[in-house]
Amino acid sequence: GAGVSQSPSNKVTEKGKDVELRCDPISGHTALYWYRQSLGQGLEFLIYFQGNSAPDKSGLPSDRFSAERTGGSVSTLTIQRTQQEDSAVYLCASSLAGTGGNTIYFGEGSWLTVV
Amino acid sequence: GNSVTQMEGPVTLSEEAFLTINCTYTATGYPSLFWYVQYPGEGLQLLLKATKADDKGSNKGFEATYRKETTSFHLEKGSVQVSDSAVYFCALSTSNSGYALNFGKGTSLLVTP
Repeated sequence: GAGVSQSPSNKVTEKGKDVELRCDPISGHTALYWYRQSLGQGLEFLIYFQGNSAPDKSGLPSDRFSAERTGGSVSTLTIQRTQQEDSAVYLCASSLAGTGGNTIYFGEGSWLTVV
Repeated sequence: GNSVTQMEGPVTLSEEAFLTINCTYTATGYPSLFWYVQYPGEGLQLLLKATKADDKGSNKGFEATYRKETTSFHLEKGSVQVSDSAVYFCALSTSNSGYALNFGKGTSLLVTP
């Protein structure tokens, strides 16, 4: 597709369940980023990938959060044993390369509600 | 570490008013600076950017100048329109964390007719 594609667009899950959020970046973009947007917290950086490797995982909120990227393309963010405070919009973004000044393009986000 | 501070909203203006949204930053290294906009019901999109000191980014009538001496990147528009109503985010990136964006908390702008 032409832009960053995320699925599902909306997810309601019960507390304690695991969820997987998928991101399909713009074709050819080697850098991929995950963010979380929640009311009162703004935009929180979670993790980035350069190719398939994630040099910086320090933004992941807890060990319940993990992410992987395969084939230098699709990425999956997994949240295990979801908690209500995980409710947020999870945004994926990509750029041509992880270099300064490159435009980072965002997907529309996956709205996660934990009940 | 890196951080961005922008003025808190919401900002409410009448159509054709002058807009300024202040943004200051703290960074290790030499950052690139960005303004992103999020229109109601839409995703984040780049509004403008500047990659070195004294550069001016501009788009859709908006402007911001990279001021290294004051570590600022204030967003301005001479005459706002109702369609400019959105949330505006100031951001920076450096070579740390693969040039991931560090965002400010966002400023909500409402323009009334």
